[in-house]
Amino acid sequence: SQKIEQNSEALNIQEGKTATLTCNYTNYSPAYLQWYRQDPGRGPVFLLLIRENEKEKRKERLKVTFDTTLKQSLFHITASQPADSATYLCALSNPGTALIFGKGTTLSVSS
Amino acid sequence: DADVTQTPRNRITKTGKRIMLECSQTKGHDRMYWYRQDPGLGLRLIYYSFDVKDINKGEISDGYSVSRQAQAKFSLSLESAIPNQTALYFCATSDLSGAGYTFGSGTRLTVV
Repeated sequence: SQKIEQNSEALNIQEGKTATLTCNYTNYSPAYLQWYRQDPGRGPVFLLLIRENEKEKRKERLKVTFDTTLKQSLFHITASQPADSATYLCALSNPGTALIFGKGTTLSVSS
Repeated sequence: DADVTQTPRNRITKTGKRIMLECSQTKGHDRMYWYRQDPGLGLRLIYYSFDVKDINKGEISDGYSVSRQAQAKFSLSLESAIPNQTALYFCATSDLSGAGYTFGSGTRLTVV
């Protein structure tokens, strides 16, 4: 069955450093990979989408890479701030299917 | 007003009761989804609908049913609630591309 693994449940870093979160998947060939942010008790918020034919996508301090050979995506937050502390979810889909989500990585940025 | 509105926000119900969770969206999108979230298990897909006449089961549909009353409305029912259905339930919507879901604020359901 399809499986998505976000390699750590929790990541703690210092303010100003780059946070790198990993998403690996098996038994799946997604056309799209998406990243969401979720704050406690709230719904996920869409951040970025990357397609299978794209290697990298950037948005402000965020960067996502997608390696379909390794079946892996990396999500980077540069110059991290305490306000970036949240849970980050990786999600995959193909046209005509609904998103399936990983369990998330909780990022804590300390000042 | 929020793009996706879920009601109620919180609900406590007894085992065996029927309960309906409601979702409405103002995005004008055709696609709507129901997920549940449990600690340590992430978001799991219950049902999804790509248009008013389309209903599809997700990963964990047993014990649930849905109704797509209109493009903007998608409700989730628990026919006979059981304690292991205690969870945070999210409704979401997307356009035809499926790029970037918009989620509601969630319904926290407790079955006692």
